[in-house]
Amino acid sequence: AQSVTQLDSQVPVFEEAPVELRCNYSSSVSVYLFWYVQYPNQGLQLLLKYLSGSTLVKGINGFEAEFNKSQTSFHLRKPSVHISDTAEYFCAVRDSGGSNYKLTFGKGTLLTVNP
Amino acid sequence: ETGVTQTPRHLVMGMTNKKSLKCEQHLGHNAMYWYKQSAKKPLELMFVYNFKEQTENNSVPSRFSPECPNSSHLFLHLHTLQPEDSALYLCASSQDGRVEGNTIYFGEGSWLTVV
Repeated sequence: AQSVTQLDSQVPVFEEAPVELRCNYSSSVSVYLFWYVQYPNQGLQLLLKYLSGSTLVKGINGFEAEFNKSQTSFHLRKPSVHISDTAEYFCAVRDSGGSNYKLTFGKGTLLTVNP
Repeated sequence: ETGVTQTPRHLVMGMTNKKSLKCEQHLGHNAMYWYKQSAKKPLELMFVYNFKEQTENNSVPSRFSPECPNSSHLFLHLHTLQPEDSALYLCASSQDGRVEGNTIYFGEGSWLTVV
């Protein structure tokens, strides 16, 4: 069984500051990893995903994430945040083999960018 | 415009009512999903339909009844719900639920309040 832990439920930062949202996962098999963003009163939108290849993945809106297999982590980073980045961010994992195609989500991290 | 449209966006219903949530995807996908998002809990997968066949029922109570008449439409029929069923219900779709790494696209959700 898979699980996802987002270590911080809330992360407040000032505009133009760098941010890192942490995500750790556990799985007995190889995985695919995803970050989704949910803006207020909206559904989830895919930010980026890791399937294979380079462990540094770039996504939309200037976000990137690095897959670290030894630490079972997939932390999300942005070097300089904007007010418009205020949203809830969800890390998710999915088995890369077999018939299990379910996404398992973390509880989410609320990023609040202050002026 | 997300490609996945949910109606109604907001629904208030009594515990003895019968109502339905509707989802339509305009992406040509073959897999559709219902997720439940409750406060302070991870997103929970409820049902998966792949090529109109239900392939996943994640131990959901029978007061929730899904229906998938075709690959573009998904319904969630609600009957004798409980106040703890109040949540955001998210519909999603992907190209093929069996293919690992497929991106899942979400609708904006239907806010359900059971009184």
